[in-house]
Amino acid sequence: DVKVTQSSRYLVKRTGEKVFLECVQDMDHENMFWYRQDPGLGLRLIYFSYDVKMKEKGDIPEGYSVSREKKERFSLILESASTNQTSMYLCASSLQIIFGLAGRYTGELFFGEGSRLTVL
Amino acid sequence: TQLLEQSPQFLSIQEGENLTVYCNSSSVFSSLQWYRQEPGEGPVLLVTVVTGGEVKKLKRLTFQFGDARKDSSLHITAAQPGDTGLYLCAGYTSGTYKYIFGTGTRLKVLA
Repeated sequence: DVKVTQSSRYLVKRTGEKVFLECVQDMDHENMFWYRQDPGLGLRLIYFSYDVKMKEKGDIPEGYSVSREKKERFSLILESASTNQTSMYLCASSLQIIFGLAGRYTGELFFGEGSRLTVL
Repeated sequence: TQLLEQSPQFLSIQEGENLTVYCNSSSVFSSLQWYRQEPGEGPVLLVTVVTGGEVKKLKRLTFQFGDARKDSSLHITAAQPGDTGLYLCAGYTSGTYKYIFGTGTRLKVLA
């Protein structure tokens, strides 16, 4: 079974602190993603990576950065946490896009259990 | 910006009832996925649909992708308490690597 492990289930930080959220996957997936989940807004993409040392901004990258030094690990960094970053953070991984009979085919996203961050 | 709107946002029904959840967009997607998320866990994939007009069945769940690949629906027949959870649709556009998630439908099935 694919396993995506997020380092912390619950964190409480103070405004201005630096926060590291770690994510590790064990299935050799090329793609990794960081989403935040807020009620009524669904999942919003913060950053994603399709290869080691490669990163792309998602829809809401402001206030965040990422690091992918190894294929299995994707870290989300909040340089200076703010109260509006209180949220559930979800990491996901997937195989690289492959081609099926219908053309481009979307791989399944495998999610971690989430990290609930509270910034006071 | 691509948006996926889901309706209804909340749904509370009795065991045995049928229900339909809708996922709508003005954008065309290469494929669309449905996920279910239970409390304290990450979303888990239920199905992927890739062809306009495609219908897929998973036991009591029926998924349909619109002919124009802009919308989708999830129909549950004879809902059970085990169906309780947050249902999310996610659209994918070729070449972007990005999955756009819907706003979610929180379903509660009462015994």
